[in-house]
Amino acid sequence: QSVLTQPPSVSAAPGQKVTISCSGSTSNIGNNYVSWYQQLPGTAPKLLIYENNRRPSGIPDRFSGSKSGTSATLGITGLQTGDEADYYCVTWDTSLSAGRVFGGGTRLTVL
Amino acid sequence: QLQLQESGPGLVKPSETLSLTCTVSGGSISNTIYYWGWIRQPPGKGLEWIASIYYSGSTHYNPSLKSRVTMSVDTSKNQFSLNVNSVTPADTAVYYCARLTPVLDYWGQGTLVTVSS
Repeated sequence: QSVLTQPPSVSAAPGQKVTISCSGSTSNIGNNYVSWYQQLPGTAPKLLIYENNRRPSGIPDRFSGSKSGTSATLGITGLQTGDEADYYCVTWDTSLSAGRVFGGGTRLTVL
Repeated sequence: QLQLQESGPGLVKPSETLSLTCTVSGGSISNTIYYWGWIRQPPGKGLEWIASIYYSGSTHYNPSLKSRVTMSVDTSKNQFSLNVNSVTPADTAVYYCARLTPVLDYWGQGTLVTVSS
């Protein structure tokens, strides 16, 4: 049982837009930055979004992040088959003394 | 370009200690900006935070694993390590090491550790 709640799966057609939600509480998302990671099959996770809505160098602007209250959202526009992956939200939890907490992950299928 | 590489046994017997090392290249582990961490992923499941360490040796552990986990750092070798004692099959996972900035911006490729007799 993950501290952060994500939908197990989402799907959409190529070219369409999809959003992935991440729900937490005041001890984690409500008072801390959220980051998002993409994990392609058989590879290590890759940082997509940090500080709620900032993209590292090299990440296309098709990927966006937002946060409101105790929830965060990852948005992906112009879906490509290469976007098929697992996506994870991550933040701190003040009850864990600087430890990180992960969402359970969301499998994106591009139909 | 910073690179992290996990190393250690791929098979550990139940009740024994799992020991992994992460070697950092292309940058110094003693950089005062960064922490270094371990994350694991059981087969077919999600990611789980294990622990993090600063170059000075200051550590933070996942409370659910704290009684069995120890992290250490060797600045002379540019390495940090993880020990998990009294392992069970539930500890079978891909173990990743990563840099914290404080987000996890660089990851190792991961190493599969199987706990089985």
